[in-house]
Amino acid sequence: SYELAQPVSVSVALGQTARITCGGNNIETKYVHWYQQKPGQAPVLVIFTDSNRPYGIPERFSGSKSGNTASLTISRAQGGDEADYYCQVWDSSTAAFGGGTKLTVL
Amino acid sequence: QVQLQQWGAGLLKPSETLSLTCAVYGAPFSGYYWTWIRQPPGRGLEWIGEINHRGSTNYNPSLRSRVTTSVDTSKNQFSLNLRSVTAADTAVYYCARVRGATRHLDYWGQGTLVTVSS
Repeated sequence: SYELAQPVSVSVALGQTARITCGGNNIETKYVHWYQQKPGQAPVLVIFTDSNRPYGIPERFSGSKSGNTASLTISRAQGGDEADYYCQVWDSSTAAFGGGTKLTVL
Repeated sequence: QVQLQQWGAGLLKPSETLSLTCAVYGAPFSGYYWTWIRQPPGRGLEWIGEINHRGSTNYNPSLRSRVTTSVDTSKNQFSLNLRSVTAADTAVYYCARVRGATRHLDYWGQGTLVTVSS
């Protein structure tokens, strides 16, 4: 099965920039999607196809990809951004999720 | 406004069959894949499988032997059955829509906690 590697946790100071990475073999050939999940809630799509924001997601959220790593960047981090973040791709008609990254805003 | 509303039994005994249904409101049912994801307590997301309006399916290889999905296009609903459950199947189960060619999951159900315990 396809594996995606994310850091377990990332911390960021209030107002600063957080970057969450997602690594996978040949990820450059796949669309990467990102989801935000707050405690007790369903995941919410924040970035699709590497770098596109759904309607209603703040511009502070951006996505990129380089080589074997995709990244989710959160600028001007706010307390409300504290959540778990998951990357996701499709490989051979199977969806794969990263293990998730807990973002803490200090 | 697209909404996915899901329901099903929340407490099962080992060896029983998990059954969940997800209803789609505010969006066409045809033309999309509809998927199931689960999340064990305190852990990450695991994809279970997907089905489209024609009944075409794809499943997680690790669950394929126990999973069946179905659709009822007359009700805009799709369902999940997971046979022979064990405590390891205890999780919050989500339904979601798979969007177009890019295949991102753009709408999710509220989640259903299913506990397997004797």
